Amino acid sequence: QKEVEQNSGPLSVPEGAIASLNCTYSDRGSQSFFWYRQYSGKSPELIMFIYSNGDKEDGRFTAQLNKASQYVSLLIRDSQPSDSATYLCAVFMDSNYQLIWGAGTKLIIKP
Amino acid sequence: DTEVTQTPKHLVMGMTNKKSLKCEQHMGHRAMYWYKQKAKKPPELMFVYSYEKLSINESVPSRFSPECPNSSLLNLHLHALQPEDSALYLCASSQERHPNTEAFFGQGTRLTVV
Repeated sequence: QKEVEQNSGPLSVPEGAIASLNCTYSDRGSQSFFWYRQYSGKSPELIMFIYSNGDKEDGRFTAQLNKASQYVSLLIRDSQPSDSATYLCAVFMDSNYQLIWGAGTKLIIKP
Repeated sequence: DTEVTQTPKHLVMGMTNKKSLKCEQHMGHRAMYWYKQKAKKPPELMFVYSYEKLSINESVPSRFSPECPNSSLLNLHLHALQPEDSALYLCASSQERHPNTEAFFGQGTRLTVV
């Protein structure tokens, strides 16, 4: 079992709809969760981070964390073509004190 | 200033060359990182420098060697690389090497080994 798992996609969403990206992790003691966006050929850019159970909203983005079920998700409301990118989930693992990355989900927003 | 600056942006080198990648941050961050990223893969951690201590991913070959001249610089020296080392090399920094601090990435160096 991979430590951080994401569906590789591509996930295709119509413009204006809600895009939902999911990530599961194996280390139950993990405390910190990050979502990065990466355009092709560019470096990752931090979108959201979340530490506590529940929802955290920032503009069109909402991160949701459920530690009991060991998943974290990212919702993008009113999706725009510029949101088309690969979204990387990263989890800070207490077991080895390292940031572990998922393989990323490619998101395509169709005009 | 929330930038991590990497130079060069692109580098083509032969297998017998010696080159260096440079990374600089002026955010007062206490942890700096080098990552390697192949196409369609997540970043792989190579080195962490934090509080004057270097942590090495044991899978990284010795042809890569980091150097930290001061707390705002983390260079990566390259020697006798192989074509499979061609990748995007990313430098990042964070305020602390602590779970609750986010990492900021530089723009990367696209390395091609010929």
